[in-house]
Amino acid sequence: QQQVKQSPQSLIVQKGGISIINCAYENTAFDYFPWYQQFPGKGPALLIAIRPDVSEKKEGRFTISFNKSAKQFSLHIMDSQPGDSATYFCAASKGGGGYQKVTFGTGTKLQVIP
Amino acid sequence: DAGVTQSPTHLIKTRGQQVTLRCSPKSGHDTVSWYQQALGQGPQFIFQYYEEEERQRGNFPDRFSGHQFPNYSSELNVNALLLGDSALYLCASSPPGVETQYFGPGTRLLVL
Repeated sequence: QQQVKQSPQSLIVQKGGISIINCAYENTAFDYFPWYQQFPGKGPALLIAIRPDVSEKKEGRFTISFNKSAKQFSLHIMDSQPGDSATYFCAASKGGGGYQKVTFGTGTKLQVIP
Repeated sequence: DAGVTQSPTHLIKTRGQQVTLRCSPKSGHDTVSWYQQALGQGPQFIFQYYEEEERQRGNFPDRFSGHQFPNYSSELNVNALLLGDSALYLCASSPPGVETQYFGPGTRLLVL
């Protein structure tokens, strides 16, 4: 059962542009929504995370927008750079304090062209 | 401060064999989770260990088992390997009381 749906599957953006990746979840018990960045041959690295009581969180060029009523959240990468070219995964988990399993989306392969 | 480490980095096995993968969490982290990532897919949760016990388990058969040691390091064992077990196996650790999981580089398993 796919509990976190992610789109698009791939994305090509010009340098300096905005990259937008969308995710939707089904389980309203989820209470933590991280985004991970993964480069080829590497493990996922936490990029930014949000809780459902916040509608937006910004860290540098990365912003998460969260719509609790629609059960959707998205990642915006401003001023995209070639170094941002990687696969991005949205994820969701429930049960705080480290007692949780993380459910990942299917990933978005981002390519930023010069 | 060393991050999450995993060994070996790559492994080739044949069908029916058994494999053991190892993980050392970040310093101060007491919870270890294991994930399977097939090519082109997101990681799938296998199980989580805390205080040397399996705390949660995903939809994986009993062929997948694990262990956590008193120093918080962990092993993932897979018996009776199938071709479909070929994947990147990721270990993630988290500190006490924190949701954030930190991933290791993974072990690439190829089953022939």
